[in-house]
Amino acid sequence: GQQLNQSPQSMFIQEGEDVSMNCTSSSIFNTWLWYKQDPGEGPVLLIALYKAGELTSNGRLTAQFGITRKDSFLNISASIPSDVGIYFCAGSGNAGGTSYGKLTFGQGTILTVHP
Amino acid sequence: KAGVTQTPRYLIKTRGQQVTLSCSPISGHRSVSWYQQTPGQGLQFLFEYFSETQRNKGNFPGRFSGRQFSNSRSEMNVSTLELGDSALYLCASRTGEALPNTQYFGPGTRLTVL
Repeated sequence: GQQLNQSPQSMFIQEGEDVSMNCTSSSIFNTWLWYKQDPGEGPVLLIALYKAGELTSNGRLTAQFGITRKDSFLNISASIPSDVGIYFCAGSGNAGGTSYGKLTFGQGTILTVHP
Repeated sequence: KAGVTQTPRYLIKTRGQQVTLSCSPISGHRSVSWYQQTPGQGLQFLFEYFSETQRNKGNFPGRFSGRQFSNSRSEMNVSTLELGDSALYLCASRTGEALPNTQYFGPGTRLTVL
């Protein structure tokens, strides 16, 4: 099935460093969402973006909805050990009203933080 | 508010059997979507239910089906299980309005097919 192109696939960083990851798509999306997943658990919503160009922060996390509506990025500042996990981008609403319930996911970015 | 709940959390079945998974959405949410997560394919959309009707469907065979009840709880059924059906099955709920269409996920059901 269709997936978004998410990069990088993995990152190994030192505690305190900043992190940046992004997602691109060939399709336009009306919503971009960023999730974090810990092993054996469901994804937890981090940030939701609804407007092209929108920049939204949630604590140390900042995400932007690309102007073309085909991309989004997530930044994590001053990383800490509990940031470890898999980060997913997801797009929704690329085919009108009934498509809002369908999320298309990126492959995920595995983040490792060394103390 | 309580989050999305899924039962059971773990399930072991053998090939050829069928299985039913359950999802209770966040109170007030009328839409439930189901996803399959595997190491090879990642997170793939199965279907969405809203007001007891399937509103959207992914590219999965007819062995995968679902339904939604009047209280918005949803069940997913997989018949004639295959080894490749081993996966984490996630459900997510949202209000059901077009926007905001933020989906909140449950903890998942880990299905192992032997």
